[in-house]
Amino acid sequence: NAGVMQNPRHLVRRRGQEARLRCSPMKGHSHVYWYRQLPEEGLKFMVYLQKENIIDESGMPKERFSAEFPKEGPSILRIQQVVRGDSAAYFCASSLKLTGANYGYTFGSGTRLTVV
Amino acid sequence: QKEVEQDPGPLSVPEGAIVSLNCTYSNSAFQYFMWYRQYSRKGPELLMYTYSSGNKEDGRFTAQVDKSSKYISLFIRDSQPSDSATYLCAMSGGGADGLTFGKGTHLIIQP
Repeated sequence: NAGVMQNPRHLVRRRGQEARLRCSPMKGHSHVYWYRQLPEEGLKFMVYLQKENIIDESGMPKERFSAEFPKEGPSILRIQQVVRGDSAAYFCASSLKLTGANYGYTFGSGTRLTVV
Repeated sequence: QKEVEQDPGPLSVPEGAIVSLNCTYSNSAFQYFMWYRQYSRKGPELLMYTYSSGNKEDGRFTAQVDKSSKYISLFIRDSQPSDSATYLCAMSGGGADGLTFGKGTHLIIQP
């Protein structure tokens, strides 16, 4: 069981470029969550997805950020026209069922985005 | 007032000491409580979860929840240098919502 796989581990983008972060959940898991960790801050919930559905995007910035979890392939977090304030570690987690949050879920190792 | 308050530390203790880590929260809807450990440049690793008030023990780790005081604790017995990490508390109200995390406490165990 390879766990939750995120890539790339490190991503450097210039201001104005697009960043695409990928997450493959644990085998058999159909629920994916994205979190952002800013320097000296705790993890902040961004979005919760099931296959082909966005369940809760209450933590997503209204502009430039989008997420998808297609029927086939990994979940993608997309940040358009990146700015320096987007520099952070982005973590993905997955769970087997809807109430996975109640029991804690498994996180990946994260993608560290640096905007220069 | 932040939803979850956690002292960022650093907290430095000698090897073998008992460590006490704590979080307070304001949202009475929280029912599920978790502790994660995060090593530098790594993802959070789930240590323990508890439901509602009470204690839960797993090896050297004990989690306590006091819902009446809105206060949760993690105790580490016989602390080891390998326990040096950032410890994050997290909680949820149940169902399909995301977890709310504290900022984490940086723990250093001195050999």
